[in-house]
This record gives sequence, C-alpha cells and structure tokens, in this order.
Amino acid sequence: QQQVKQSPQSLIVQKGGISIINCAYENTAFDYFPWYQQFPGKGPALLIAIRPDVSEKKEGRFTISFNKSAKQFSLHIMDSQPGDSATYFCAASSRWGAQKLVFGQGTRLTINP
Amino acid sequence: NAGVTQTPKFRVLKTGQSMTLLCAQDMNHEYMYWYRQDPGMGLRLIHYSVGEGTTAKGEVPDGYNVSRLKKQNFLLGLESAAPSQTSVYFCASSYSRDRGPDSPLHFGNGTRLTVT
Repeated sequence: QQQVKQSPQSLIVQKGGISIINCAYENTAFDYFPWYQQFPGKGPALLIAIRPDVSEKKEGRFTISFNKSAKQFSLHIMDSQPGDSATYFCAASSRWGAQKLVFGQGTRLTINP
Repeated sequence: NAGVTQTPKFRVLKTGQSMTLLCAQDMNHEYMYWYRQDPGMGLRLIHYSVGEGTTAKGEVPDGYNVSRLKKQNFLLGLESAAPSQTSVYFCASSYSRDRGPDSPLHFGNGTRLTVT
C-alpha cells in the first residue's frame, strides 16, 4: 500500500521554466513532509521540508506548498536550471520517535538547456 | 568527515547465498536506517535502530536481519538471498528527535545488489 503518491513519474522542463511535482498522502498522523533530491550514483539528500502548521515554505528557488485539508503538498522549482536535473522524492513521517520516512515513487526531472 | 559509508558498492549473489552489508557513520547519530530502492517504488524502510543494541522492523523486513553492536555501525544481513532482493540498498543516519526534531536523514551512496 503506497501511503504517499507522487506525480508525475518523469518531467521535462526548459531552462528557466517552473518545475512542479505533486504528492498526496493518506495517513493523517504524518506531520513532517521533506523533499529529497538524488543524483545518479548518489544517495538522496534533503532539499527542503515543511510542517503542517504552515502552508508554504520557500528556500531560494525551491518552494513547498502544503494543503492540509486535501492532504497534498507540492514542490515548485523556479527558474529551473540544468543542474537541477535529478530524481526528486517527496516523503512523510510523524515528528515523534524514529524518523520512519515513507517515500513517494520519485520524479525524474530533466531540465533542457 | 566521511559521513555515511556503505560497503561493498556492488555485489552479485546466487540464490540461497548469504551476505552482510556494512554501514558506518562518523556523525555520532543516534538513529540509523536501512532502505531499499526499486524502480517506480521509491525507497522503502527495511529496518531501523534508535540506538546501540536496538533494532526494529520497518515496512519490508522479511528476509533481512540487522544488528547494531556499536553506535557507529549498522549491519544488514541476507541469510538466503532471493532474486526479489535484487535492489539498491541505502543506509541512512540521523540525530534523535531530542537533539533535532527535523534532523535530516544522511544517506550513503548505496550498494547495488543483484541476485541471480
């Protein structure tokens, strides 16, 4: 059972455009929502994270939007650059106890120059 | 500061063989995790540990065992490998919730395992 559903599976965006990746979760006990970025041959690395008490968090060109009532959250990458080409994973967990992240299926993002 | 180191990087096993994957971290993290990554399925938690001498099951624990005899090491064992265990395995570590409620997971670079 996939508790976190991510879309699209792959995405191609032109340089300078906006990349948008969406996630939906089912478990209302989740209260921590990070995004991880993974380059080929490497492990995932935390990009940005949000708690459900805010609707948006921005760090540089990366923004998370969160909709608690719809149980959805999304990643927006503004002014996308070729260096942003990677696989992105949304995830969710409870903020108590071990950080047992449940990951989405992943989105392979390609930024064309 | 090496972070999280996984050995080996690649391994090919025949069905029924056993092996141990080693994970070492030098960040003094309390928590450690083993995930597997399969195409189209993201990463799934196999086992985790909240401290030296402790282990617990994650989402997909069947066919795997773990041990954490030292705080810096977390071992993942396959007693009788099956083709369904062909995957990329990632180890991760993090601070405890007490030291950092939103402490990120630090991942190693993975072990690619093929079972024939």
